[in-house]
Amino acid sequence: SQQGEEDPQALSIQEGENATMNCSYKTSINNLQWYRQNSGRGLVHLILIRSNEREKHSGRLRVTLDTSKKSSSLLITASRAADTASYFCATETGANNLFFGTGTRLTVIP
Amino acid sequence: DTGVSQDPRHKITKRGQNVTFRCDPISEHNRLYWYRQTLGQGPEFLTYFQNEAQLEKSRLLSDRFSAERPKGSFSTLEIQRTEQGDSAMYLCASSLAGADNEQFFGPGTRLTVL
Repeated sequence: SQQGEEDPQALSIQEGENATMNCSYKTSINNLQWYRQNSGRGLVHLILIRSNEREKHSGRLRVTLDTSKKSSSLLITASRAADTASYFCATETGANNLFFGTGTRLTVIP
Repeated sequence: DTGVSQDPRHKITKRGQNVTFRCDPISEHNRLYWYRQTLGQGPEFLTYFQNEAQLEKSRLLSDRFSAERPKGSFSTLEIQRTEQGDSAMYLCASSLAGADNEQFFGPGTRLTVL
């Protein structure tokens, strides 16, 4: 079974609005990573947050991590049509592979 | 292009045929991973190499699946006697040991078994 679960499964917003996606996981982690996938393509690494970090920023992205609740959130500010994609969280547990959630499908309407 | 590459990008085959996919990782990366992704799902781990050694295999990897990384560089994934349930996107990723396991993915090979 997959480690993470994203919420919501799908999100539709207007260009310029902020988008927030959540990820919950089940076991202890070393880090949590967020990836983006455009339709039918490979995954692009967005940001990594370690288990001892609580918040991290990269450009228009902000990631938070709450290890006590086993949850993370990804915020995309001032969204653009080009942000339309599926977003996955992946947990690194020391098992030498990543466990992915089922993803959030984000649609940004121009 | 110095990213992860995969070949072919698309493969259509008839049930029962064998198929082989290739992955070329980022040159300095010593770890290589194969994942499978079906529609609407996240990638699921299949197997992992460190250099030429295959260190872990998922229970998803049935006896019909075999992966190699003979010289610790490129890798191949072979599926024998394909079944319709093998239809999926097969993703390859590479990483550098000790670098938080930040993985870089290739574009994937989409397999359709008729």
